[in-house]
Amino acid sequence: DTAVSQTPKYLVTQMGNDKSIKCEQNLGHDTMYWYKQDSKKFLKIMFSYNNKELIINETVPNRFSPKSPDKAHLNLHINSLELGDSAVYFCASSHWTASYEQYFGPGTRLTVT
Amino acid sequence: AQTVTQSQPEMSVQEAETVTLSCTYDTSESDYYLFWYKQPPSRQMILVIRQEAYKQQNATENRFSVNFQKAAKSFSLKISDSQLGDAAMYFCAYRSAGGADGLTFGKGTHLIIQP
Repeated sequence: DTAVSQTPKYLVTQMGNDKSIKCEQNLGHDTMYWYKQDSKKFLKIMFSYNNKELIINETVPNRFSPKSPDKAHLNLHINSLELGDSAVYFCASSHWTASYEQYFGPGTRLTVT
Repeated sequence: AQTVTQSQPEMSVQEAETVTLSCTYDTSESDYYLFWYKQPPSRQMILVIRQEAYKQQNATENRFSVNFQKAAKSFSLKISDSQLGDAAMYFCAYRSAGGADGLTFGKGTHLIIQP
């Protein structure tokens, strides 16, 4: 059973398009995160959600909008894609009370052409 | 803001030998967690080991152990009996103790295992 899943695993699109990445966890966690890994492999937190509420919103362009329909899902919608958005995006989840341990999804490689 | 520094972009070790990856961090907090994550070419992020700052004893997981020096803000990872499957990017990460803070990562160390 996949603990944290993301769809799609690969996404190739053109500049200016709007795209979404979906994340689902079946661990019963109540906190979910989005991270971005750039071309130099540097990982940085973008957002965190607890019980469907936004907790952290790092300095991320407002073209990025996370949506959490329920505790098991955290989707990332990106408007007006730019070349610089090309990266691997990771979803992760944890328990609020044990949130030191985060479980990562397999990542989505986004390529903007 | 917390920062995590990994000063070794790449390390190489012979199979079956021991290698130590370095990590230092900067924080004003007293309660936090430190982690080492492994990222093989499959890009999956795999938790290798975790250390709670309030624990003086160094964490150990089979062939993996850490040397946690809280006063020096140092957190190195030792891999004993290196295996080909250990080849990967290794990331040191920091997390505050409370709330839903994300992980703050170092830039990573690429570990090469020589057969």
